[in-house]
Amino acid sequence: EIVLTQSPATLSLSPGKRATLSCRASQSVSRYLAWYQQKPGQAPRLLIYDVSNRATGVPARFSGSGSGTDFTLTISSLEPEDFAVYYCQQRSNWPLTFGGGTKVEI
Amino acid sequence: EVQLVESGGGLVQPGGSLRLSCAASGFTFSDYGMNWVRQAPGKGLEWLTHINSISSNIYYADSVKGRFTISRDNAKNSLFLQMNNLRDEDTAVYYCTREWDYWGQGSLVTVSS
Repeated sequence: EIVLTQSPATLSLSPGKRATLSCRASQSVSRYLAWYQQKPGQAPRLLIYDVSNRATGVPARFSGSGSGTDFTLTISSLEPEDFAVYYCQQRSNWPLTFGGGTKVEI
Repeated sequence: EVQLVESGGGLVQPGGSLRLSCAASGFTFSDYGMNWVRQAPGKGLEWLTHINSISSNIYYADSVKGRFTISRDNAKNSLFLQMNNLRDEDTAVYYCTREWDYWGQGSLVTVSS
C-alpha cells in the first residue's frame, strides 16, 4: 500500500498570503496524484488531477506540481473561501490511498 | 446537472448489515467507474472500493474486503454497497463518487449497540 504523508498538518495564514502544501508518497505514483478540498459538513471537491490539471471550475490560484514521490499544492493568494482541509490522493496503485490532510486556517 | 444521492444509512448494531444505495442522474451512468469513500467522525478520507463501468473490475480496501460488496445496476442508474458484519470502526459518512469529479452528499452509518 502506498502511504501518502501530508505536511504540515495545519497551516496558519492570512488572506492574500501564499499557501504551499506538501504530499510525499512512500513510492512513486508517477503522475497519478490528485488534490481535494473539503469544508466542514461538505463532501470533498476535486481541485487538481494528474499532478497539475485543474478540475472544471477551479480558480487559477490553485496549482499543482511535482512528480514521482514529492508533490505540492500551491494557492497563490488565499481567499476567505480557501480556508479548509486539503487531501492528496494517489491513483497509481490499488488500493487507492489518501493523505491525512492539511488544514489551512486563518 | 450531475447528481449523486446516497441513501440507506442509519444505526445498526455490531455484526449487523446495511445496504447503501447511490442514485445517479444527469449523466450516462454506464460510462463511468464509481467508488465508495468513507470518513469517520473527525477523521480523514478512506477509499473503500471501486467498480468499473461494466462491473468487470472491482477492487477493495483491505479494511472491508470480505465484508463489503460493491455492485451497480446500469439500467437503474444505481450504485450499491452491501455492508455485512459491521464493526464499531465502520461508523462514518459514506460517499459515492463518479470516478472522482462528482461526489454525493454522504450517508451516515453508525455502528453501535
